[in-house]
Amino acid sequence: DAGITQSPRYKITETGRQVTLMCHQTWSHSYMFWYRQDLGHGLRLIYYSAAADITDKGEVPDGYVVSRSKTENFPLTLESATRSQTSVYFCASSSVQDSPLHFGNGTRLTVT
Amino acid sequence: TQLLEQSPQFLSIQEGENLTVYCNSSSVFSSLQWYRQEPGEGPVLLVTVVTGGEVKKLKRLTFQFGDARKDSSLHITAAQPGDTGLYLCAGDNTNAGKSTFGDGTTLTVKP
Repeated sequence: DAGITQSPRYKITETGRQVTLMCHQTWSHSYMFWYRQDLGHGLRLIYYSAAADITDKGEVPDGYVVSRSKTENFPLTLESATRSQTSVYFCASSSVQDSPLHFGNGTRLTVT
Repeated sequence: TQLLEQSPQFLSIQEGENLTVYCNSSSVFSSLQWYRQEPGEGPVLLVTVVTGGEVKKLKRLTFQFGDARKDSSLHITAAQPGDTGLYLCAGDNTNAGKSTFGDGTTLTVKP
């Protein structure tokens, strides 16, 4: 089925460990985004990508790394997880610049 | 950083009541979207407004974009329990490539 898929849905990891959240879309959308959602902060942009091999920082990029070697995939890596990175992470895509976003169902990450 | 302020933050009403949610900013946006999010899922687009003063209707939901394209409102008529969820507004600027989200309004409609 076409759409945007995030994996895993739930992840528990320990402080200091590296963890990668996956995002895959089947629409061939150019733009992809990573947001985190926390109570009281709404959705905050971590990183985004306008096309393969092009990535830019968002509002809260510290502690995160992204790559976009293929148009359909946009993994998010926490190189050394911290408790403050406990959150729900959403991946989104859009076909063109400034068009509405299509979101995945999120990954709930807990860092202990 | 452009900010979008949503109000109220929480709203709990009885089935059948009307309500309005507001999304305000000091910045001008080229377009503004409203999304609805249910627990355990990602936000889903409800509507996009692009013209100052524009009004769009989606069944019992009415969306308005301010004349100066700095603010928007969402009005729900005769709310139903199925309207329960988190309502998010998001603004775009031409060529910015990314949306700015408000903190959301959590709506609970009691039967």
